[in-house]
Amino acid sequence: AQSVAQPEDQVNVAEGNPLTVKCTYSVSGNPYLFWYVQYPNRGLQFLLKYITGDNLVKGSYGFEAEFNKSQTSFHLKKPSALVSDSALYFCAVLGTGGFKTIFGAGTRLFVKA
Amino acid sequence: DTGVSQDPRHKITKRGQNVTFRCDPISEHNRLYWYRQTLGQGPEFLTYFQNEAQLEKSRLLSDRFSAERPKGSFSTLEIQRTEQGDSAMYLCASSKGGMNTEAFFGQGTRLTVV
Repeated sequence: AQSVAQPEDQVNVAEGNPLTVKCTYSVSGNPYLFWYVQYPNRGLQFLLKYITGDNLVKGSYGFEAEFNKSQTSFHLKKPSALVSDSALYFCAVLGTGGFKTIFGAGTRLFVKA
Repeated sequence: DTGVSQDPRHKITKRGQNVTFRCDPISEHNRLYWYRQTLGQGPEFLTYFQNEAQLEKSRLLSDRFSAERPKGSFSTLEIQRTEQGDSAMYLCASSKGGMNTEAFFGQGTRLTVV
């Protein structure tokens, strides 16, 4: 069965520093991977996805993610964090059958000014 | 606004009552999903429609839960005889067909069963 794991409940980073939010996956076949962000009192917003091609995927708000097949990882990164990036981040994978999205438990990102 | 809309945003109900939520997906999306999210957790898949056909239901969806998408447009999720354990955020999402498209989510309906 397809699944993702987010090993960190919380990540703290200072504004201006680079940030990484970790995700590992377990899939049968080729993975279709996603990152979503959830701000307080707002719905989940799509950030980026990996389907095939370049291992470095660029997305919204300056975020990018690196797909690593050998390590089965899909870490979210940003070169310079903003206080406004503070939110709940979810890694996700497309489930068997190709329609439902399976989410990790989420990682809360705190960016301190 | 061309996003996914959900109504109501909040619902407080007494245990044992029935509740119904509505979701209006993005108009050109033929896939519609319902998820449930509890505090501190990721969304859990409940059910999926392609057009008006309900193609999968999670084991999480007990017999008290029913979902419809009568004309392949909006969808409703009904919970009968609500229990306190049903308290959660109910999220609706939609996507285009195909294997590799992301889902777009509504803001959710927060249900509190007292």
